[in-house]
Amino acid sequence: DAGITQSPRYKITETGRQVTLMCHQTWSHSYMFWYRQDLGHGLRLIYYSAAADITDKGEVPDGYVVSRSKTENFPLTLESATRSQTSVYFCASSEGLSGYEQYFGPGTRLTVT
Amino acid sequence: AQSVAQPEDQVNVAEGNPLTVKCTYSVSGNPYLFWYVQYPNRGLQFLLKYITGDNLVKGSYGFEAEFNKSQTSFHLKKPSALVSDSALYFCAVRAPPTYNQGGKLIFGQGTELSVKP
Repeated sequence: DAGITQSPRYKITETGRQVTLMCHQTWSHSYMFWYRQDLGHGLRLIYYSAAADITDKGEVPDGYVVSRSKTENFPLTLESATRSQTSVYFCASSEGLSGYEQYFGPGTRLTVT
Repeated sequence: AQSVAQPEDQVNVAEGNPLTVKCTYSVSGNPYLFWYVQYPNRGLQFLLKYITGDNLVKGSYGFEAEFNKSQTSFHLKKPSALVSDSALYFCAVRAPPTYNQGGKLIFGQGTELSVKP
């Protein structure tokens, strides 16, 4: 019972490079989410997805791209990484939206140099 | 716009004493409220939620929270703290789906709980 996994767990990249963070869940949850966690800001929603091929912007979507071709996967791509995108990224999933708790992955610590 | 505030960055408690982690919210309509806990280098874990019904909600690891509509608060409590409760705690609010930004979860900035032996 793997639940929700993220890879890589740690990543160092250079400014301007493209980076993709992977997220995989085994529960067949409809909804998936990407958050970033920064000191002083708590967690902020980047993008979310209601189902395969349905995605929507969150609070801080600029500089990020998502896709969801399969229910279980929800990759997050930084098209041209910037230092301001240095953060810890969390993927989450839930059965529904309102009233349903979200289940979080272990996170990916990304450093952009 | 919906928002949630955790007024204390850090709470220090002695083991065995009761603990309270505060949370206040602002949301249109009836709120859906959540508490999560984050241990070092881990993802967030769900503790409890309030959707409707009894204002006192019981959750995992002996935690409970009281929904107070008049004070727009949802404080997390535990009668007797353990050293292992030391972690970062997040309150979150979600507006009903009929409202703008409804359905999306908004997190507070977190409160670091430290329980000393």
